Amino acid sequence: EVQLLESGGGLVQPGGSLRLSCAASGFTFRPFAMNWVRQAPGKGLEWVSGISVSGASTNYADSVRGRFTISRDNSKNTLSLQMSSLRAEDTALYYCARDSYSNTRGSFAIWGQGTMVTVSS
Amino acid sequence: QSALTQPPSASGSPGQSVTISCTGTSGDVGNSNFVSWYQQHPGKAPKLMIFEVTERPPGVPDRFSGSKSGNTASLTVSGLQTEDEAHYYCSSYAGSTSVIFGGGTKLTVL
Repeated sequence: EVQLLESGGGLVQPGGSLRLSCAASGFTFRPFAMNWVRQAPGKGLEWVSGISVSGASTNYADSVRGRFTISRDNSKNTLSLQMSSLRAEDTALYYCARDSYSNTRGSFAIWGQGTMVTVSS
Repeated sequence: QSALTQPPSASGSPGQSVTISCTGTSGDVGNSNFVSWYQQHPGKAPKLMIFEVTERPPGVPDRFSGSKSGNTASLTVSGLQTEDEAHYYCSSYAGSTSVIFGGGTKLTVL
């Protein structure tokens, strides 16, 4: 079964850090760009970050650049998002999403079920 | 970058057709072949319905079609069915390996 399984979400205080992980199974992980997309409660989708097949190319939304770092381990079929200096506005359900290309193009054919991040004191 | 512009809501009766628009700029929709549409039911992850402006992934009914003119992309759902009631989001490649989403449209089947 094709699957993306996110983990690592939780409650964190403003200014704190959290590391999200996404484990891929049921498909060949390496040939595809991977991304994080988030959805604040009751709101729309927001692209957060993407990484190319080799990890050499990464990009971030302006709202998280300098605070979040995306990485991947092709030997373990995993994607990660290191989040620091967290703010209340980072509160959201974070989805891992597989692109259809080797670089991020926004054709997210496979999605996980998401992991919830809540930033609050 | 600002989100792509979608109408907050759309509606139609079973069997009818409805079109949802998605307006961007020449920096995204207008000069991108990578426009996608996603369907999201409550409490569920988004599902890719259209990619590369007009293409349907395997398993997506041909009642769903996409198009683009200038800076505006459109999703048309023909022969509306009750299960089509959901939120729909457009997205576009915006250059430099970045992606921008629309604000979403809630489609109601009357």
